[in-house]
Amino acid sequence: KQEVTQIPAALSVPEGENLVLNCSFTDSAIYNLQWFRQDPGKGLTSLLLIQSSQREQTSGRLNASLDKSSGRSTLYIAASQPGDSATYLCAAYMDSSYKLIFGSGTRLLVRP
Amino acid sequence: NAGVMQNPRHLVRRRGQEARLRCSPMKGHSHVYWYRQLPEEGLKFMVYLQKENIIDESGMPKERFSAEFPKEGPSILRIQQVVRGDSAAYFCASSPYVSETYEQYFGPGTRLTVT
Repeated sequence: KQEVTQIPAALSVPEGENLVLNCSFTDSAIYNLQWFRQDPGKGLTSLLLIQSSQREQTSGRLNASLDKSSGRSTLYIAASQPGDSATYLCAAYMDSSYKLIFGSGTRLLVRP
Repeated sequence: NAGVMQNPRHLVRRRGQEARLRCSPMKGHSHVYWYRQLPEEGLKFMVYLQKENIIDESGMPKERFSAEFPKEGPSILRIQQVVRGDSAAYFCASSPYVSETYEQYFGPGTRLTVT
């Protein structure tokens, strides 16, 4: 059974700091991995999707990597801003499956 | 191209009442997925539907919950005789029939509060 774990559960950093959010999964037979942002009381905003044939994806100040062999993905946020404060969720698409398996999220606070 | 639409955005029901949550997928998408997010938890898969077919409902509670995706109209998630533990955010996602990435596109969610 696939499990997705996110560490840390919460993170508080000063503005301008570079930071890394971690996501690990127990079953390497994942197809794709996706990172989302969720603001309090709001829906999900897709940030990056990494296909199984890819090792990383970049969008602006965000970079996500995927290492299937070690069962890990990381989301790197450069030069963090208070507007980055939100909960970040990673989710795995399993091979031959349509179910997204979500982690519990990392709650990020960027202090001005 | 409008995104995935869900309504209502907020729904309050008393214990024992019925809740109906609606989801209109993106144009051209024929696959719909429902997920539930309990307070302070991640999203959990509930059900996967195609037009007029339930493909996988392994994440649905055995009783009181049902889902449909008719030939015409939105997908409906129905919760009968709601209890306080049903209070959660319910998210719908959709995807096209053929997708290289299998990416699912999420709606804004319906927040159900049971009083």
